[in-house]
Amino acid sequence: DSGVTQTPKHLITATGQRVTLRCSPRSGDLSVYWYQQSLDQGLQFLIQYYNGEERAKGNILERFSAQQFPDLHSELNLSSLELGDSALYFCASSVGWDEQFFGPGTRLTVL
Amino acid sequence: QKEVEQDPGPLSVPEGAIVSLNCTYSNSAFQYFMWYRQYSRKGPELLMYTYSSGNKEDGRFTAQVDKSSKYISLFIRDSQPSDSATYLCAMTEPFQGAQKLVFGQGTRLTINP
Repeated sequence: DSGVTQTPKHLITATGQRVTLRCSPRSGDLSVYWYQQSLDQGLQFLIQYYNGEERAKGNILERFSAQQFPDLHSELNLSSLELGDSALYFCASSVGWDEQFFGPGTRLTVL
Repeated sequence: QKEVEQDPGPLSVPEGAIVSLNCTYSNSAFQYFMWYRQYSRKGPELLMYTYSSGNKEDGRFTAQVDKSSKYISLFIRDSQPSDSATYLCAMTEPFQGAQKLVFGQGTRLTINP
C-alpha cells in the first residue's frame, strides 16, 4: 500500500457527462501528480500541483481541470467526456520530485 | 516516433531465469532513469532509479544505463513467479521548472513456475 488513496475505483458514465476523481496524497507529501494510462498511449503525465498551486502542465486536455485543496487532497475534473477518455487515471504524490508514490487508480469507462 | 521505446512483450520465462528488460530513448535532456513495476489492477511502484551511466544493484535487480547509446536495462536474477508484472521504464526531463516523468509502454513479464 503506497499510502495514496483514490476514489472511486471504477466509474462508468456516458459521453458528454462530467466526472470528478479524487486523490488523497501520502501524509506529508506536498506534490500531487495526475496521470492517464491507456493501452495506446501508455502512462502520460497530465498535471502537477505543489502545495495548492499548479506546478507543471502536461498533456492535459482543455476539457480536463484539476485543483489541490488546502488539506492537500486533489480532484481531477473531466467534462464533455468522449469514448476516448476511457482509461485508468492515476494520482501520485511525492515529497521531492524523484520518488513518486502512485495510488491504485480510477478506471473510467465512457459508454 | 516516441521519445521512449519499450518492447511491450509479452515476455514469458521459466522460474529462476535471468530476465533482461530494455528501453531506448531519443531525448538527450533525460536526466534520471527509473524502473517501475506494475501489478495487474495496481498503481506503478518505483523499483530503482539512477542518474549516471553504469550499473546499480539492489538485491536481485540490476539497473544499467548507457547514456552514450541512449539505452537502459533492468536485469532480474533468479526470477520468481511473484516478479510477474508489467515493468515500465521512465525518464525525467526538465519541464516548466520541475521534472516530468516520461514512461515507456511497459513490458508484460510472466515467470512460469
